[in-house]
Formats: sequence, structure tokens, C-alpha cells
Amino acid sequence: GAVVSQHPSRVICKSGTSVKIECRSLDFQATTMFWYRQFPKQSLMLMATSNEGSKATYEQGVEKDKFLINHASLTLSTLTVTSAHPEDSSFYICSASGGDSPAGGYTFGSGTRLTVV
Amino acid sequence: AQSVTQPDIHITVSEGASLELRCNYSYGATPYLFWYVQSPGQGLQLLLKYFSGDTLVQGIKGFEAEFKRSQSSFNLRKPSVHWSDAAEYFCAVGARGYQKVTFGTGTKLQVIP
Repeated sequence: GAVVSQHPSRVICKSGTSVKIECRSLDFQATTMFWYRQFPKQSLMLMATSNEGSKATYEQGVEKDKFLINHASLTLSTLTVTSAHPEDSSFYICSASGGDSPAGGYTFGSGTRLTVV
Repeated sequence: AQSVTQPDIHITVSEGASLELRCNYSYGATPYLFWYVQSPGQGLQLLLKYFSGDTLVQGIKGFEAEFKRSQSSFNLRKPSVHWSDAAEYFCAVGARGYQKVTFGTGTKLQVIP
């Protein structure tokens, strides 16, 4: 089955620094990847959709200059949180499609817990 | 626009009892429907999904869900709950073609001895 690997699982960074999160499809080519954010005790909110080789499409209210998404290959997408602040602390999770199911997989990574101090 | 409602924020059941988690969706056509489970601090694990065909879907860990078009529902059931089932459960709807998934607000399941 389709597997998505997300790294790191946890990261702590200082306020003002940038953090990169990687999302890799291990056994299929992910034509589309989705990035979600989950606040404590809340549901997952879609941040952006990225297609390989194209600019990401951001959901309303998501700062594209703060959350940089790169999808340069069919197996890797990255989310960079630039100039992170404590309010960016959250659980970030990616999902990739392009697998063997009709809907393209909807396979999720294991998530990244970001803490900005 | 697609949306999902999980009316129960928190449910407590006794171990061995049956479970039903409710999910209602809004979508203009036949959607893709999913149930995911999330343990504390963990990612999402797919329990089951409905794309088409038989409206009763079997998933992992003994879970099943039934798609009822007339009620716009996709309730999750399990005949006998185990303590390890304690987690948060998310219902989700996906749009055919675009593949964007919209999540419900989740139902936290507590299992008591």
C-alpha cells in the first residue's frame, strides 16, 4: 500500500528561525500533496495544495510567504515555516495522492509537532 | 462546498460495549468518505473508506461504516469496543477529482473498564 513518510516528527525551534518539514511518498509518485495544520483539540485544517512542478495553492487566510511549500519532485514536498513565532506552534501533517486507489491514495504522514519557543 | 459534521465531541463507552460514532456530510454529488483515527500526538490512520458500491464498508480493527445517501450520513460502528480503541476519530469527505479532504471536528472516544 501507499506509504507517506514525514520528518521530523517533533521539532523545537527558537522564535525567528525557520523550520523545514519534509513529506515523502515512499512507494508511489505523489502528483499532489496536501498540507494540514491541527491546533490542540481541534480538527485538521487544509493549508495548501501542491502539485509537482507548480506553485502551491493556499487556502484563504494562510500566509504563503510564511508557509513556503515546495514540490519539486514526485516523491517529495517540503513545508518551510519561516520566521517562526510561538503562535505557529502546532501539529502539521501532510497527505499525498497519486497512489493506487481511485481517489489517489489520501495517505497521510505521521505528522510533525512544531514547538516555537 | 463540502462539509462534515460530527455532532458528538466526546463519547464514553464501557469496554465490550457497542459503539456508533455519527457523521453527516454535505456535498453536491456522491462523495468519497473516510474515517480516520488519531491517537494522542500521532498522525492519522485510515480505518475505512467509501468510494462506491456496497454501502456497508468494512475496515481495520473490527470497524465498519454504512453510507446512507438519504440521510447524508456515514456512521462508524464497532460491535465490541476494546480499551485500545480510545482515541480521536475523524470523519472526512473528499471531492472526486480534486481530492481535497475536509475533516469533521472529531469525536474523542473514552473507554472505561
